[in-house]
Order: sequence, then C-alpha cells, then structure tokens
Amino acid sequence: GIQVEQSPPDLILQEGANSTLRCNFSDSVNNLQWFHQNPWGQLINLFYIPSGTKQNGRLSATTVATERYSLLYISSSQTTDSGVYFCAVRINSGYALNFGKGTSLLVTP
Amino acid sequence: NAGVTQTPKFRILKIGQSMTLQCTQDMNHNYMYWYRQDPGMGLKLIYYSVGAGITDKGEVPNGYNVSRSTTEDFPLRLELAAPSQTSVYFCASSSRQGGEKLFFGSGTQLSVL
Repeated sequence: GIQVEQSPPDLILQEGANSTLRCNFSDSVNNLQWFHQNPWGQLINLFYIPSGTKQNGRLSATTVATERYSLLYISSSQTTDSGVYFCAVRINSGYALNFGKGTSLLVTP
Repeated sequence: NAGVTQTPKFRILKIGQSMTLQCTQDMNHNYMYWYRQDPGMGLKLIYYSVGAGITDKGEVPNGYNVSRSTTEDFPLRLELAAPSQTSVYFCASSSRQGGEKLFFGSGTQLSVL
C-alpha cells in the first residue's frame, strides 16, 4: 500500500516561533488532508488540499502532487497549537484515507 | 450541530467478551469509516462503507464486524475481545460533495484485560 511519511516526528517550539511540517507519499493521490489531534484526543480537519496552496489564519498548507509531498506551515505558534498533526492521503483507486504516524508538536510559553 | 457521535467514550472489557461501538452522523454523508489508533501511531482503517448496505474491509479487519442498515448509523462489533484490541477507536464520515473532508467522532477508548 501507499507509504505516508511525516517529518519531523517530534517538535518543540517556543510560543511565537514558526514551523514547517512535511508529508511525503509514495503514490499518486487524489485526496490529501491535514488533521490536528489535540491533547484531549479530538481530531480536527485543518485542510483538504490534494494540490495547490490554502491558508486559514496562522496555518497554511501546500501540496505539490507531482513531487508527492505536502507542507503544513504554522506561523506565530501558540500553546493551543500543541498536539499531533497528521497527514492522510488517498490513492486514485482507493476509498479511504491512509494516515502517516504524525508529528507531535509541543509549544511552550 | 452534532456531526459524528460515538458511544461509549470509555469501556473496559474482559478477554472473550463482545461489544458494539455505536456511531451515528447527522450530515447525510454516504461514506463512513472505522479507524483504530494505537499509542504513538497513526490511524489504521478497520472497515468502511460507501452507503447503506455496502461495507468493505480495511487494513486491519480481523476480529471486527460492521453493518450499515441506514445512512446515519455504522456500528462496529467486537467479537471475542482480545488484549490486542486495546486501542482508541474513531468513527468518521465524509461526502463526495464539499471536498470530501473527513469528520471524526470523539473516539472510544477501549481496554481489554
């Protein structure tokens, strides 16, 4: 099956810093989404971004489908950004999303 | 808006017991999914459904069963619970419309002892 690799696996930031999270995938996809899992375990959809660039407040994402990677940018990080960020993709012939192992982010005051 | 609702939130089972995890969504989504999340790992697909009466296996279906008699409900049944089924279970739904964003329930934390 498709391989989804996220980097870095862990990240510690001071409040106000910027960061870039990366997702590499091994096959052509028609669906790519970024999720945030907060410290209480809730999974929130951040972006549906199979290609191109989107922005939502301090977060933005870019997917370069031809090169099989996606980036999630977090600017001016806040403590509430802490949690695990997951990238998930679906291959062209598939029905469901396949998840990477996530990037665990801790933002300290 | 309720979205995707899962019950129960927590459950402890003894080895060999059975139980059903309930999932219902009020967004009229055709597609529904069950994932499990083990510590430090991503989510792995157990079963999915593309509409009422249609279900299929995901990556880790052994020890589980599902049914989809209505658009709203997608219960997951565990038969003969084993310690390897200790995990957090998430139900999710999506629609072909609206960009197919996936919406998750709040999860069920299950321990099999």
